[in-house]
Amino acid sequence: DAGVTQSPTHLIKTRGQHVTLRCSPISGHKSVSWYQQVLGQGPQFIFQYYEKEERGRGNFPDRFSARQFPNYSSELNVNALLLGDSALYLCASSWGTGEQETQYFGPGTRLLVL
Amino acid sequence: DQQVKQNSPSLSVQEGRISILNCDYTNSMFDYFLWYKKYPAEGPTFLISISSIKDKNEDGRFTVFLNKSAKHLSLHIVPSQPGDSAVYFCAASAWANFGNEKLTFGTGTRLTIIP
Repeated sequence: DAGVTQSPTHLIKTRGQHVTLRCSPISGHKSVSWYQQVLGQGPQFIFQYYEKEERGRGNFPDRFSARQFPNYSSELNVNALLLGDSALYLCASSWGTGEQETQYFGPGTRLLVL
Repeated sequence: DQQVKQNSPSLSVQEGRISILNCDYTNSMFDYFLWYKKYPAEGPTFLISISSIKDKNEDGRFTVFLNKSAKHLSLHIVPSQPGDSAVYFCAASAWANFGNEKLTFGTGTRLTIIP
């Protein structure tokens, strides 16, 4: 079975631009979470979506938004990019029952903002 | 406020010996703990987890120990192999309290296995 997939793998943008990152969860998983990992740090929680509804949001500005589609895939959108948005963006999926579930991560999208 | 801490940025261990990675947490609401392994240019790979109702969980060469009173957990790898060289992240969640599956990660420990 395929794991979590993300696209694109790498992306270069300039300040002020907008970016859309995509994620497909493991088949059968209904929950998708997004994380940002900057160099030297652990991943930081951005959003969790379950059944197309936002279930949780981390401490990120409103420039960050996300949505989940009927097939459980998800998009993360970032507007008005800043240099500090340069990071590895990780998507994770799980069944979504919420009871001490394991999240499985994709390979990530590396975003560089110039 | 760093709620999950991995105080050792790096660790070197001889092949065949035991590797012990440590993690401390401050939020008593955490009830599920996970260890992930990460190679460069890849996403984190799940290794092993433990519920707060247990104090030990074992899976092959990997064992996780949880000491709730000390708010401390550790990952033991025995025997260590060269392929274990990677960055290891400790993570914690508290779904019952937060209503979502947010994982809070430590900053990672880089493990190097010396042949």
